[in-house]
Amino acid sequence: EDQVTQSPEALRLQEGESSSLNCSYTVSGLRGLFWYRQDPGKGPEFLFTLYSAGEEKEKERLKATLTKKESFLHITAPKPEDSATYLCAVQAAHSGYSTLTFGKGTMLLVSP
Amino acid sequence: DAGITQSPRHKVTETGTPVTLRCHQTENHRYMYWYRQDPGHGLRLIHYSYGVKDTDKGEVSDGYSVSRSKTEDFLLTLESATSSQTSVYFCAISEGREQETQYFGPGTRLLVL
Repeated sequence: EDQVTQSPEALRLQEGESSSLNCSYTVSGLRGLFWYRQDPGKGPEFLFTLYSAGEEKEKERLKATLTKKESFLHITAPKPEDSATYLCAVQAAHSGYSTLTFGKGTMLLVSP
Repeated sequence: DAGITQSPRHKVTETGTPVTLRCHQTENHRYMYWYRQDPGHGLRLIHYSYGVKDTDKGEVSDGYSVSRSKTEDFLLTLESATSSQTSVYFCAISEGREQETQYFGPGTRLLVL
């Protein structure tokens, strides 16, 4: 069974205080690992896809990295507008129709 | 937003009544998905569709049915709503060379009393 565990459940940062969110996964053959951002009352917004260990993707203050067991979402010098819940999901190689398994998310709060 | 709309956006209903949620997309995507999101569980797949009249079950399909008679519409039906089906429901489509990236709609908040 595919599993995704995100930590911490919640994280509070001061503006400018860099940190990382973790996504550990167990999957029989990884096709892709996905990061989403979700604001309260809205649908998840796609951020990144990572396909193989060693791959990195960046977008503004966010950088996602991938190893064979986990992914990190690094947030550099965060701003209050980065406050959101960040979701990680995996897609297994045996997934016939692109189904995703999601973690429970990390709620990030950035204070000014 | 990948051209996805969901209706209604909010609904309150009573236990035992049928409920249908609609997902509409305007960009001719072949693959569509229904998820529910609950505190402590994250997003869980209910049903998905890989074409008109082609659907399959997800992780939490009990108590739900779906239909897709047109490419643009994917309907989720709760035949007899229960309080355990109180949740936020999200529709998604997928894109990419292998349909790997999913994009989500704005969600429907359902309360079953």
